Amino acid sequence: SQTIHQWPATLVQPVGSPLSLECTVEGTSNPNLYWYRQAAGRGLQLLFYSVGIGQISSEVPQNLSASRPQDRQFILSSKKLLLSDSGFYLCASAGGFVRELFFGEGSRLTVL
Amino acid sequence: DQQVKQNSPSLSVQEGRISILNCDYTNSMFDYFLWYKKYPAEGPTFLISISSIKDKNEDGRFTVFLNKSAKHLSLHIVPSQPGDSAVYFCAASRGGGGSQGNLIFGKGTKLSVKP
Repeated sequence: SQTIHQWPATLVQPVGSPLSLECTVEGTSNPNLYWYRQAAGRGLQLLFYSVGIGQISSEVPQNLSASRPQDRQFILSSKKLLLSDSGFYLCASAGGFVRELFFGEGSRLTVL
Repeated sequence: DQQVKQNSPSLSVQEGRISILNCDYTNSMFDYFLWYKKYPAEGPTFLISISSIKDKNEDGRFTVFLNKSAKHLSLHIVPSQPGDSAVYFCAASRGGGGSQGNLIFGKGTKLSVKP
């Protein structure tokens, strides 16, 4: 089965500072990769997905961006964080004929 | 527009009893449905799924029922245990490449199983 590693696990950042969350995947090759956000009182919101290196699709317009520099690496970034960016960020992977997503442990971001 | 809806934000059940979590969807093109379980500060873990060609799938204490005509699915947990206390997310997807295959999640139902 797949293993998803995310870091950092917890992050407290001031408004206007940059962000970089990293995700790596083990146990599969050429997976579809996803970034989700769980904000307080809301469900899992899909932010970005990628079907291959350098291929990024955005589901929600915002000040966040994503990149996939390697097959099993997915990065979520921001140049200037907003208060509304606070939340629990989850990286997920799907591969092959499996229609299930495997999630990482998540990264808790608090913007002050 | 919310395509997957979990109308009950929370549910409280006594240990040993049945827990029933409900989910409704609006997109008739969805053909695969999943339930995920999530503990605080952890990523969701896959629990059980069902294809639209079936109306029931069972795995131990967990059973998922699908009613396509009503666009409704439910997760039954019998018997409920305190360790089942978590947030449960319903998700759906449709076949096809690109964004069509992406999972759409409901907002979750927080289950509390009391000893």
